[in-house]
Amino acid sequence: ETGVTQTPRHLVMGMTNKKSLKCEQHLGHNAMYWYKQSAKKPLELMFVYNFKEQTENNSVPSRFSPECPNSSHLFLHLHTLQPEDSALYLCASSQSPQGRNEKLFFGSGTQLSVL
Amino acid sequence: DAKTTQPTSMDCAEGRAANLPCNHSTISGNEYVYWYRQIHSQGPQYIIHGLKNNETNEMASLIITEDRKSSTLILPHATLRDTAVYYCIVRVHSGNTPLVFGKGTRLSVIA
Repeated sequence: ETGVTQTPRHLVMGMTNKKSLKCEQHLGHNAMYWYKQSAKKPLELMFVYNFKEQTENNSVPSRFSPECPNSSHLFLHLHTLQPEDSALYLCASSQSPQGRNEKLFFGSGTQLSVL
Repeated sequence: DAKTTQPTSMDCAEGRAANLPCNHSTISGNEYVYWYRQIHSQGPQYIIHGLKNNETNEMASLIITEDRKSSTLILPHATLRDTAVYYCIVRVHSGNTPLVFGKGTRLSVIA
């Protein structure tokens, strides 16, 4: 248990569906992140939020839409995804903004399959 | 941030020490060495980090060479639960960009 909870653990969706991934951290951290991990590839940073403000969008397609209503919650809204978007989506948090403290705490991830 | 080079995979017998090497020959003076690991189907887990002195915690030891161009993560008594991908990352401690993970070393602990 790392203090970062992601739901759901597994998700199967069609290309026309709309779904959301949820992340919640109970650590009092100020920064939250979305990473994507495709099969046999390194983790790819998608988005960074510091104090609820998005500070980095790593050229992510608009079919992925993040939302950070407060410092403890982070969502990733999904719509009209493609099969190649199937991957493990990982949420992380850290105490300090802009990654100054590199002790990241990760959730267990959501394994997404797009059919 | 400096790049790192790690072996793709390694095996280790259960109960023995696992020594995972990492080369970072272009490391600069203000860059730290971080280690994370990722057990199958879970998120990465922080292990340890250091600048130039050797470091030890409850999980592992980090040995950094005097010239800082390479380091070794040591798991003193590997167990089957240590089977994971281990990532060596080098970056400035107070940098403005988040961690970038490479391909890491897949460690298999064998009974």
